[in-house]
Amino acid sequence: AQSVTQLGSHVSVSEGALVLLRCNYSSSVPPYLFWYVQYPNQGLQLLLKYTTGATLVKGINGFEAEFKKSETSFHLTKPSAHMSDAAEYFCAVRAMNRDDKIIFGKGTRLHILP
Amino acid sequence: NAGVTQTPKFQVLKTGQSMTLQCAQDMNHEYMSWYRQDPGMGLRLIHYSVGAGITDQGEVPNGYNVSRSTTEDFPLRLLSAAPSQTSVYFCASRSNRVGNTIYFGEGSWLTVV
Repeated sequence: AQSVTQLGSHVSVSEGALVLLRCNYSSSVPPYLFWYVQYPNQGLQLLLKYTTGATLVKGINGFEAEFKKSETSFHLTKPSAHMSDAAEYFCAVRAMNRDDKIIFGKGTRLHILP
Repeated sequence: NAGVTQTPKFQVLKTGQSMTLQCAQDMNHEYMSWYRQDPGMGLRLIHYSVGAGITDQGEVPNGYNVSRSTTEDFPLRLLSAAPSQTSVYFCASRSNRVGNTIYFGEGSWLTVV
């Protein structure tokens, strides 16, 4: 079975500073990994995903994430935070097998300080 | 581009009432699912379907029923609403292709009083 742990339910960074949101996963088979963003009162929007191939994945809005199998991690980063990045971020995992369930982490709310 | 459409967007129910949250997608996706989102709990999978006529339980299925008679529609039924079912519900769909993206509806805010 898969599981996802997001470290820190709230993260605050200053505008222009590095954004780092942590995600660790557990999966008995090779995983697909995703990051989604949710703005207030809206649905979830895909930021980026890892399936196979290059372990450094670039997404929208300047975000990227690196799949590290040895650390079972898929941390999300952005070099310079912008006020518009304030939102809730969800890491998700899906197993590369017949199990079609996608399991989400509990989310990290990102606050941007002026 | 309609994508995933959920109705209603807001609903208030009394304890014990029943209702159906509707979900439709126009992308011919095989996989559809329902999640509920609660503060500090992230998204938890209620039920999912890998194709018409096939459904299965997720993490929190109790109190909910689903059916999948067509590829396009995946309604979620609350048979006897309870205050614990107050939540935001999201329907999602994706194709079965490798590395596919899951698309979400805009959410349904349900309050049970």
